[in-house]
Amino acid sequence: GAGVSQSPRYKVAKRGQDVALRCDPISGHVSLFWYQQALGQGPEFLTYFQNEAQLDKSGLPSDRFFAERPEGSVSTLKIQRTQQEDSAVYLCASSFGSGTGVGSNQPQHFGDGTRLSIL
Amino acid sequence: GQQLNQSPQSMFIQEGEDVSMNCTSSSIFNTWLWYKQDPGEGPVLLIALYKAGELTSNGRLTAQFGITRKDSFLNISASIPSDVGIYFCAVNAGNNRKLIWGLGTSLAVNP
Repeated sequence: GAGVSQSPRYKVAKRGQDVALRCDPISGHVSLFWYQQALGQGPEFLTYFQNEAQLDKSGLPSDRFFAERPEGSVSTLKIQRTQQEDSAVYLCASSFGSGTGVGSNQPQHFGDGTRLSIL
Repeated sequence: GQQLNQSPQSMFIQEGEDVSMNCTSSSIFNTWLWYKQDPGEGPVLLIALYKAGELTSNGRLTAQFGITRKDSFLNISASIPSDVGIYFCAVNAGNNRKLIWGLGTSLAVNP
């Protein structure tokens, strides 16, 4: 499809395991964002990429969280040594524009998220 | 973290009724956005507001960017069952355009 694609849709892991969540943004989109959405809450910003550069990772809750986008397209969010509080929906969004330059008002398009449950 | 105050938290209305929800902040923001999220899906942008005082419509939806740049409201006219979902306000924060979100308004429509 033409939208943002995330996989897997659901992931169940035991506490302490590592997980990897994948995001395929819309082709040609420069900006990519990861958000964490706890049950009953709004999304919370985790990290931002402009092409392959991770320009903001201020929202990552701990050093167990790591994100990459090596070729400026697909991105992976990795969580090491998962804890129960990591259980949430992880949303990926992409947009054509970047920062405050041309296209900076382009909207963010969201995937349907990965629902992560840590047992 | 910084949050937007969104109200009401939930609404239960009859089909055909109009709906109004709002969002406030203690800080000034230059872009206000309204998203709708259905269960199991990602948020979908409804309306984007870029200018203080701006009133923008999208079908039965109307949103306004407050003149103080600290608030916004969303109105839905003549509600229908498919309007059911959670409505979020969000603002652009910082040069990287990360979004800060409200806690959402859950809308239920009785046919």
